[in-house]
Amino acid sequence: KNEVEQSPQNLTAQEGEFITINCSYSVGISALHWLQQHPGGGIVSLFMLSSGKKKHGRLIATINIQEKHSSLHITASHPRDSAVYICAVNYGGATNKLIFGTGTLLAVQP
Amino acid sequence: DGGITQSPKYLFRKEGQNVTLSCEQNLNHDAMYWYRQDPGQGLRLIYYSQIVNDFQKGDIAEGYSVSREKKESFPLTVTSAQKNPTAFYLCASSILYGRAHRELFFGEGSRLTVL
Repeated sequence: KNEVEQSPQNLTAQEGEFITINCSYSVGISALHWLQQHPGGGIVSLFMLSSGKKKHGRLIATINIQEKHSSLHITASHPRDSAVYICAVNYGGATNKLIFGTGTLLAVQP
Repeated sequence: DGGITQSPKYLFRKEGQNVTLSCEQNLNHDAMYWYRQDPGQGLRLIYYSQIVNDFQKGDIAEGYSVSREKKESFPLTVTSAQKNPTAFYLCASSILYGRAHRELFFGEGSRLTVL
């Protein structure tokens, strides 16, 4: 069992729909990252969260530390949002290693 | 604009050959990382470096080597000892505040195929 679980693994949406991608983790963390990977392979950091909620344009990320859960929301989705979205957590303790989820493949159809 | 440059983007290697993947950053980040990505798996850490002339093994370091002679550069050598080297390799850098990775940047990746 992966320490970081994402759902769904695959998601197809129609343009304009509201999208939610979920991430659950198993132990206490110091921070959580949401990343976007485009078909070419490069990865872009979208958010780093340690509590609460952050918003950037049409993207919103929330985290519930007590429930060990985070969500990434995309409002008014667009075909250019099609990508793999990856959750990564920074566990507390002696190491600053990041643990990555396996990603959610999102396809937004026009 | 600041960022990370990886090269080459695609690389083919014959079995038994060593290859070196380049990673250069102009972000003035102290910390740099190499990750491996395989289908259906999360990124896995190969090596990381938090300061020049120092680096540590990650979870899957066997068959790989690195150097950090300059702050801007963190090349990865995939040696012939790596049993299954065909994969997508990503270089990253960040600023470390305590245990948090701030300003986390990734390169465009290098896809290595062993023939």
